[in-house]
Amino acid sequence: TQLLEQSPQFLSIQEGENLTVYCNSSSVFSSLQWYRQEPGEGPVLLVTVVTGGEVKKLKRLTFQFGDARKDSSLHITAAQPGDTGLYLCAGGRYGGATNKLIFGTGTLLAVQP
Amino acid sequence: GAVVSQHPSRVICKSGTSVKIECRSLDFQATTMFWYRQFPKQSLMLMATSNEGSKATYEQGVEKDKFLINHASLTLSTLTVTSAHPEDSSFYICSAHRTGGETQYFGPGTRLLVL
Repeated sequence: TQLLEQSPQFLSIQEGENLTVYCNSSSVFSSLQWYRQEPGEGPVLLVTVVTGGEVKKLKRLTFQFGDARKDSSLHITAAQPGDTGLYLCAGGRYGGATNKLIFGTGTLLAVQP
Repeated sequence: GAVVSQHPSRVICKSGTSVKIECRSLDFQATTMFWYRQFPKQSLMLMATSNEGSKATYEQGVEKDKFLINHASLTLSTLTVTSAHPEDSSFYICSAHRTGGETQYFGPGTRLLVL
């Protein structure tokens, strides 16, 4: 069962455009992480948010965690071809000593030059 | 940094054979490692949680007798796909949780193709 739904599923845009990816759930998570993955490689962590309402900025990327810690968004300003990849959100669930991660359905982004 | 390696990076095998995939934390100790499976253009699905010195915890729907996990040391977990079939072809990714830390560090993945 996929607990985290991402939208859109696919997105193809021109270089310089802005975009927002959404990650929604009916469950509460202790933390929310965003990853970017390129074909044939493992996912690379972009950011971790842990506080409801938290906003983090990483250059042209802005991440927001919902007040109720059930949803999150990723906004990219002035997208570049290098931003192309599979974007994954992942919710952390505390399971004893370790946080299990439940991954979202993924958003495949293609930025055309 | 925290580096996680996987070996092999890709493997092709015949149907019915078993394949072992290794996941190593190179510069830190990992009490817990996780194994994920990913189909093309899809997300990562957690298969099991591997705990050093104890039995792995499998997610619902994952056959523990088919996907054998061994976590014999604080830096190594292995996933063995037994009697592999074409439907087991997938991208297998591990992650390692640094002992006492909060972040999971992901390996580069292993592409398995079963003919």
